[in-house]
Amino acid sequence: QSALTQPASVSASPGQSITISCTGSSSDVGAYNYVSWYQQHPGKAPKLMIYGVSDRPSGVSNRFSGSKSGNTASLTISGLQAEDEADYYCSSFTSTSGANWVFGGGTKLTVL
Amino acid sequence: EVQLVESGGGLVQPGGSLRLSCATSGFTFSDYSMNWVRQAPGKGLEWVSYISGSGTSTLYIDSVKGRFTISRDNAKKSLYLQMNGLRAEDTAVYYCARDYMYASDIWGQGTVVTVSS
Repeated sequence: QSALTQPASVSASPGQSITISCTGSSSDVGAYNYVSWYQQHPGKAPKLMIYGVSDRPSGVSNRFSGSKSGNTASLTISGLQAEDEADYYCSSFTSTSGANWVFGGGTKLTVL
Repeated sequence: EVQLVESGGGLVQPGGSLRLSCATSGFTFSDYSMNWVRQAPGKGLEWVSYISGSGTSTLYIDSVKGRFTISRDNAKKSLYLQMNGLRAEDTAVYYCARDYMYASDIWGQGTVVTVSS
């Protein structure tokens, strides 16, 4: 069981927008502005899409945006494209005993 | 070009040891903290260990404390993970990743560790 909770799957058609939620606790998502999001295509290494809750690394499309409210972070992808189909993982720094960074279980995005 | 290349994975029996390496290029290695992150077959990502740029600060997930040791050689621009007392549940792809603002901005391609008799 992952420390952060994400929906197992989401789907939408090209051009639409989707939001993936990431629910943690007051020890991780709620406590720190150190939430990040990763995209992973099958057989590939993860790619950083969002860091610091809402900042985008250089080269990442502005169709990707992040936000946070309380213990829940969100990743929004607008104008869906076929190449966005992938697994998405959220992560947060945490003060919980046992680990210093925690990940969500991942969300499979299907572009219909 | 910034690049991370892992090596050292393989098949090992339970209780055995492996040493993973991560060779880096394209950036000033000593300026960055580094992480190891693993992914079991068909599962999600799991942070394993962290080391500061100087190597003086290290962190581990509870499940590997006392068995795994992270280290770095800044002169060789390389990161290491010494894994002892390996268990079946350590079977995974192991990624090294560069730390940036409490996230991992650059990842290697991963090296596969399989623990099985």
